[in-house]
Amino acid sequence: DVKVTQSSRYLVKRTGEKVFLECVQDMDHENMFWYRQDPGLGLRLIYFSYDVKMKEKGDIPEGYSVSREKKERFSLILESASTSQTSMYLCATKGGAGNTIYFGEGSWLTVV
Amino acid sequence: GESVGLHLPTLSVQEGDNSIINCAYSNSASDYFIWYKQESGKGPQFIIDIRSNMDKRQGQRVTVLLNKTVKHLSLQIAATQPGDSAVYFCAENQAGTALIFGKGTTLSVSS
Repeated sequence: DVKVTQSSRYLVKRTGEKVFLECVQDMDHENMFWYRQDPGLGLRLIYFSYDVKMKEKGDIPEGYSVSREKKERFSLILESASTSQTSMYLCATKGGAGNTIYFGEGSWLTVV
Repeated sequence: GESVGLHLPTLSVQEGDNSIINCAYSNSASDYFIWYKQESGKGPQFIIDIRSNMDKRQGQRVTVLLNKTVKHLSLQIAATQPGDSAVYFCAENQAGTALIFGKGTTLSVSS
């Protein structure tokens, strides 16, 4: 079975804090993605990675960075959290015979 | 810009009815389409996919139809059950890029 694990399901952080969201996959997929999901706006792509140490900006990268040191792990970093970054964050991987994208369960971040 | 959209934000049906959720896309270069189901508090779950060289694909109680002429995608759920209540997203993919998602349709199934 496909497994995409987001270790932190619910976080509350203060404005200005540095935040790490971790995502681990066990399918040996090369492609990994970070989306945020907000009511009325749907899923928006923040960053994605095609391979270790490679990253590409998505549609809304401002205020975020990412790290892909190992194939199975893709981290989203908020250098200085702001209240506008309160959202649900979804990690996904892409691969397999059908090149399907699989999602983790999501991380709910509240910035106060 | 190009985007994927759904025709209706909400759809209410009775248990046992067939449900049809529609989606329009604008990028003719997209070659792969996916339907996802998202239940409250959870991540999107893959339901069914279809490639651009197909018109129809069937799964268990679900069918996806692709009309490339009018750039339209639909998800049909047979004998809808209360457990089918969720938000349904269509997504399009071009080779080498990330998925583009529609805004989602909320399906409500009443007993």
